Amino acid sequence: EAGVTQFPSHSVIEKGQTVTLRCDPISGHDNLYWYRRVMGKEIKFLLHFVKESKQDESGMPNNRFLAERTGGTYSTLKVQPAELEDSGVYFCASSQWGDHNEQYFGPGTRLTVT
Amino acid sequence: DAKTTQPTSMDCAEGRAANLPCNHSTISGNEYVYWYRQIHSQGPQYIIHGLKNNETNEMASLIITEDRKSSTLILPHATLRDTAVYYCIVRVYRSARQLTFGSGTQLTVLP
Repeated sequence: EAGVTQFPSHSVIEKGQTVTLRCDPISGHDNLYWYRRVMGKEIKFLLHFVKESKQDESGMPNNRFLAERTGGTYSTLKVQPAELEDSGVYFCASSQWGDHNEQYFGPGTRLTVT
Repeated sequence: DAKTTQPTSMDCAEGRAANLPCNHSTISGNEYVYWYRQIHSQGPQYIIHGLKNNETNEMASLIITEDRKSSTLILPHATLRDTAVYYCIVRVYRSARQLTFGSGTQLTVLP
């Protein structure tokens, strides 16, 4: 069974540009999460989808970040326009409904804004 | 979800048991203890979880004190590949809410 995949693995963009990150969850997982770790900080939650609906987006830092999950399958996270402080590693995770909802993480996308 | 406290770092000799402690003194009755780890340049990885009884799987063992205010993750025979940041997380049973990562414990397995 394929795990959570993320694309690209690395992205280097200039301040003011737009970047779109993609996450493909494990097939059949209704729950999809985005997290990020900025340099020297802890991993922080961004938002949670249940199928195509945003269940919780309390961790989104500002309106420059837009997440979508059309059709309830893969998800995209767009940053527009990117700022220097957006640099970090963005992780996606998915889980299926069950007793413990273990979350399975992708390898992350390293975003560098210069 | 309850807050957890872990040591910042620990070392362990290769082949020896690694014992990683975690304090969660405010844990509620319906909260489980979960352990994840993040190996450098990879996403976090689920290890084990438990409520009050000791648990063991192919990766590790989890010992939870009787009062449930602390726990210990045990890697019985640590290898160099176990070098990672280990996170102790407390969350409600059947919750699909996000994971709250603290700063974790950096475990370094020494050759």
